[in-house]
Amino acid sequence: GQNIDQPTEMTATEGAIVQINCTYQTSGFNGLFWYQQHAGEAPTFLSYNVLDGLEEKGRFSSFLSRSKGYSYLLLKELQMKDSASYLCAVRAGANNLFFGTGTRLTVIP
Amino acid sequence: KAGVTQTPRYLIKTRGQQVTLSCSPISGHRSVSWYQQTPGQGLQFLFEYFSETQRNKGNFPGRFSGRQFSNSRSEMNVSTLELGDSALYLCASSPLTGQSPLHFGNGTRLTVT
Repeated sequence: GQNIDQPTEMTATEGAIVQINCTYQTSGFNGLFWYQQHAGEAPTFLSYNVLDGLEEKGRFSSFLSRSKGYSYLLLKELQMKDSASYLCAVRAGANNLFFGTGTRLTVIP
Repeated sequence: KAGVTQTPRYLIKTRGQQVTLSCSPISGHRSVSWYQQTPGQGLQFLFEYFSETQRNKGNFPGRFSGRQFSNSRSEMNVSTLELGDSALYLCASSPLTGQSPLHFGNGTRLTVT
C-alpha cells in the first residue's frame, strides 16, 4: 500500500517563509505532486518532482529525495491568500495518484 | 478553455437511495479520475476511466461504480447510500491516462441523512 504523511496544521506569519514536509512509503514511485486547495474550491496543481532536487516556480519551490522518501514545499514571502490546504500526492503503482491528508496552512498578519 | 465541470454542486440523499454524479472533463482530455474527499481521510482514489474503459480502481465497495461516454464525459453512481458516503466527490481530468497534472473540478458535496 501507500503511506503518505504530512503535518495536519501549520501557522506562519505574512512575509515569512514556511516549509511543509511530506514523507512517503510506496512501491513503484513515479513522481510527487503538490496541490493547493482553498476551502470550498478544487485542488490546483503547484509543482511536480520526479528526480531528486529542487524545482523552483516563483515564490514556491519543491524538493524531492527519492532515497529518503521525502519531499517539502517551500513558500516564500507569504501572503494572506496563501492560507489554504496543501496536498502532497504520489504517483505510484499502476500510475494512480495517492494523496496525503493535507496540511492546513494559516497565514497570520 | 473551460475547466472540469461537475454537477450537481450539492446533493442531499437518504440512506438506501442511490445517486449519480456527472463530470465533464476539459475539452480534449480523455482520462477522468474520481476521488472521495473527507476531513479524516483526505482524497481517496475511486477509479479512473480512459477511452470508455476503467483503467484503475481504488479500494471501495462495489456500490461505487462509474462509466465514461464516447465524448469523455463520466458519471459516478453510488447505490444503497450509507451515512459514511457523505463526502466531497471530486472529478479530475488529464489528456492521457497516467499523465499529470490532474485538473480538478469543484466537486459535488453529497450529504446522506
